[in-house]
Amino acid sequence: DGGITQSPKYLFRKEGQNVTLSCEQNLNHDAMYWYRQDPGQGLRLIYYSQIVNDFQKGDIAEGYSVSREKKESFPLTVTSAQKNPTAFYLCATHNPGHSDEQYFGPGTRLTVT
Amino acid sequence: EDQVTQSPEALRLQEGESSSLNCSYTVSGLRGLFWYRQDPGKGPEFLFTLYSAGEEKEKERLKATLTKKESFLHITAPKPEDSATYLCAVQEAGNTPLVFGKGTRLSVIA
Repeated sequence: DGGITQSPKYLFRKEGQNVTLSCEQNLNHDAMYWYRQDPGQGLRLIYYSQIVNDFQKGDIAEGYSVSREKKESFPLTVTSAQKNPTAFYLCATHNPGHSDEQYFGPGTRLTVT
Repeated sequence: EDQVTQSPEALRLQEGESSSLNCSYTVSGLRGLFWYRQDPGKGPEFLFTLYSAGEEKEKERLKATLTKKESFLHITAPKPEDSATYLCAVQEAGNTPLVFGKGTRLSVIA
């Protein structure tokens, strides 16, 4: 996860509150991704951004929002509209044109009660 | 129907007992297949990328192979430190997002 920072590692919120998860990278990668991981479900794509000021919905975007104002940063907001927000959230980056693999941050575990 | 299916879901091996993990896929035009290792509570760590049938890549006790329908991750003489969840992902032709399988949880017992 070198070069990709996700904070905090653990996050607790009350139901009905919005919460923003941070993802910062110093790898100079153009593309960034947010995934959600639940036990037995594998990784599911929430949103992705291939360039600054542009992003696309993934498979499970409902109840989430993102912004990509800077190349280094891709914050994810989990809104109160997300029905089951408790999960492990992973941010990844990718350098198109240089390599095909994605590199992952250490993750944030969000618990909503 | 899942595009990427990994089997088995969980595998328990004795130290030194070699085995293989399977990743089968149904995408029509494969651009690349990726293997990752994930330790509990951590982000996935990249292992290999395979692009064409017949390709093989190795790293320490791990060897990944690719056919037109599936990939195998062979683990030779595993050690307890190889215990982890191994994830497979595929990318279709074009700059499409990766599609991940649900992973295989490997436990290696000393």
